[in-house]
Amino acid sequence: KAGVTQTPRYLIKTRGQQVTLSCSPISGHRSVSWYQQTPGQGLQFLFEYFSETQRNKGNFPGRFSGRQFSNSRSEMNVSTLELGDSALYLCASRVDRGTSEQYFGPGTRLTVT
Amino acid sequence: AQSVTQPDIHITVSEGASLELRCNYSYGATPYLFWYVQSPGQGLQLLLKYFSGDTLVQGIKGFEAEFKRSQSSFNLRKPSVHWSDAAEYFCATTSGTYKYIFGTGTRLKVLA
Repeated sequence: KAGVTQTPRYLIKTRGQQVTLSCSPISGHRSVSWYQQTPGQGLQFLFEYFSETQRNKGNFPGRFSGRQFSNSRSEMNVSTLELGDSALYLCASRVDRGTSEQYFGPGTRLTVT
Repeated sequence: AQSVTQPDIHITVSEGASLELRCNYSYGATPYLFWYVQSPGQGLQLLLKYFSGDTLVQGIKGFEAEFKRSQSSFNLRKPSVHWSDAAEYFCATTSGTYKYIFGTGTRLKVLA
């Protein structure tokens, strides 16, 4: 079974631009979560989607948004990029919203210049 | 609120030595606990999980962890470390809202 895939793997954007990252979960997984990882802040939870609905949200500004499609694939969007948005963005999927374990993708490395 | 604490930011061990990474949790009921490993620039890989039952959990790559309710701990162990184990290790739990809560991570360095 294929793992969680994220595209693109690397991205360079300019401050003020917007960016869309994509995540394809493991087949059969319906929950997708997004995390931001930086050296200074560590792993921070962005949001979780389940059955196309946002179920949990972290403490990030409204510039960070996401959505989930009927096939469970998910996208996250960051508008008006700031230098501080440079990070590794990780997507994780799990079968459902219970206590099942999460499986992570390789991440998208976003650099904002 | 639930939380997970990894008291050691960095740990250095010699190859072949034993390893123990500490994780403490705070939660009233029986927690669901996980250990993940992350190599540089990569995603997180699940090493093992504890939901209930036997308090000694076996994982991949020769790792094991022991759940100790009396100490609110879920420490990760390996009897003999290999150079390829050098990575960052994260302890995690899930909250009542099913949100994952991660510790701050422990970076493991292995000396040849």
